Amino acid sequence: EAGVTQSPTHLIKTRGQQVTLRCSPISGHTSVYWYQQALGLGLQFLLWYDEGEERNRGNFPPRFSGRQFPNYSSELNVNALELEDSALYLCASSLGGISRQPQHFGDGTRLSIL
Amino acid sequence: DQQVKQNSPSLSVQEGRISILNCDYTNSMFDYFLWYKKYPAEGPTFLISISSIKDKNEDGRFTVFLNKSAKHLSLHIVPSQPGDSAVYFCAASGAGGTSYGKLTFGQGTILTVHP
Repeated sequence: EAGVTQSPTHLIKTRGQQVTLRCSPISGHTSVYWYQQALGLGLQFLLWYDEGEERNRGNFPPRFSGRQFPNYSSELNVNALELEDSALYLCASSLGGISRQPQHFGDGTRLSIL
Repeated sequence: DQQVKQNSPSLSVQEGRISILNCDYTNSMFDYFLWYKKYPAEGPTFLISISSIKDKNEDGRFTVFLNKSAKHLSLHIVPSQPGDSAVYFCAASGAGGTSYGKLTFGQGTILTVHP
């Protein structure tokens, strides 16, 4: 069974640019989650999508946004990139509509802002 | 406001012995707890979970204990193996409000198992 896949694995951008990160969940999973792990900080929750709808959002500015497609894959968009956006962005998926289900993570996208 | 805390940044254990990793939480709304293992350059790997209606859950060498009154959980690994050397994160989620669906993570504990 294929796990959660993320692309690209690495990305370098400059301040003010925009970036799109992509995630494909485990087959059968309808919920997708995004987390940020900045250097020296823990994993911080960004967004949760289930059945195409945004269900919860972490404490991040509106320039962080995303969407979920009918095939349950997801995109995370970050506009007006700032230096502090340099981080590992992790996507996770789980069975949707049911609470208390473990989230399974991809290996992340490493975003560097110059 | 760190709602999930792992107070030990690192733990060193001899192969074959027990590893005990600890985690404390402050949010009474948390009702589902998980442990993840993370190797460098990889995403976290789910190990084991427990819901607040239980106080113990076992899966092979891994056992998680939950003490709701103390808001404390622990992960026991018996016997420890060198391949268990990794960063271990505890995480928690709640059934509603701002905790719904999201995982709140501790800062992690680096486990080193010596041969």
